[in-house]
Amino acid sequence: AQSVTQLDSQVPVFEEAPVELRCNYSSSVSVYLFWYVQYPNQGLQLLLKYLSGSTLVKGINGFEAEFNKSQTSFHLRKPSVHISDTAEYFCAVSDRSDYKLSFGAGTTVTVRA
Amino acid sequence: ETGVTQTPRHLVMGMTNKKSLKCEQHLGHNAMYWYKQSAKKPLELMFVYNFKEQTENNSVPSRFSPECPNSSHLFLHLHTLQPEDSALYLCASSQDTGELFFGEGSRLTVL
Repeated sequence: AQSVTQLDSQVPVFEEAPVELRCNYSSSVSVYLFWYVQYPNQGLQLLLKYLSGSTLVKGINGFEAEFNKSQTSFHLRKPSVHISDTAEYFCAVSDRSDYKLSFGAGTTVTVRA
Repeated sequence: ETGVTQTPRHLVMGMTNKKSLKCEQHLGHNAMYWYKQSAKKPLELMFVYNFKEQTENNSVPSRFSPECPNSSHLFLHLHTLQPEDSALYLCASSQDTGELFFGEGSRLTVL
């Protein structure tokens, strides 16, 4: 079984500043990694995913994440945020053998002008 | 259109009512899921169906009853709910890799 820890529950940030959301996981097997975003009153939308290959993954809306196997991390970054990036962000890990997805508790990002 | 459609988007019910949530996926996926999202709590997996067969039930109270008539449709039947069952109920589907495609959710309020 795997578990996911999102180290920050709330991240306030000013518009046009960079942001990093931290995610660590624990698993005894190989995994797939995901970041989802949830805007107010909506479902979850996939931002990006790591399945294999390059450890730097680019997603939608200018986000990227880097898979670090030795540190079991998959941190999400954006160099310059917009007000519209205000949302909740979820890191998730899937076991490659049975595809069961485990979610972190979420990080609320609030972007201020 | 997101590919996964949930109805109704909002539902208010009394504790003695019987209602149902509906989910339909247009993606050709073989697995469908119900998640519960409560304020300040992590996403809780409730049920998983794979090729119409229930493969996971995460100790969900019997007042929640899922139904999966085919790979494209999933229902959650609700009966004698409690106020603490008020939450956003999310449906999702997947094919491989564990990547989930979510609907927009059904916001349930139990009075």
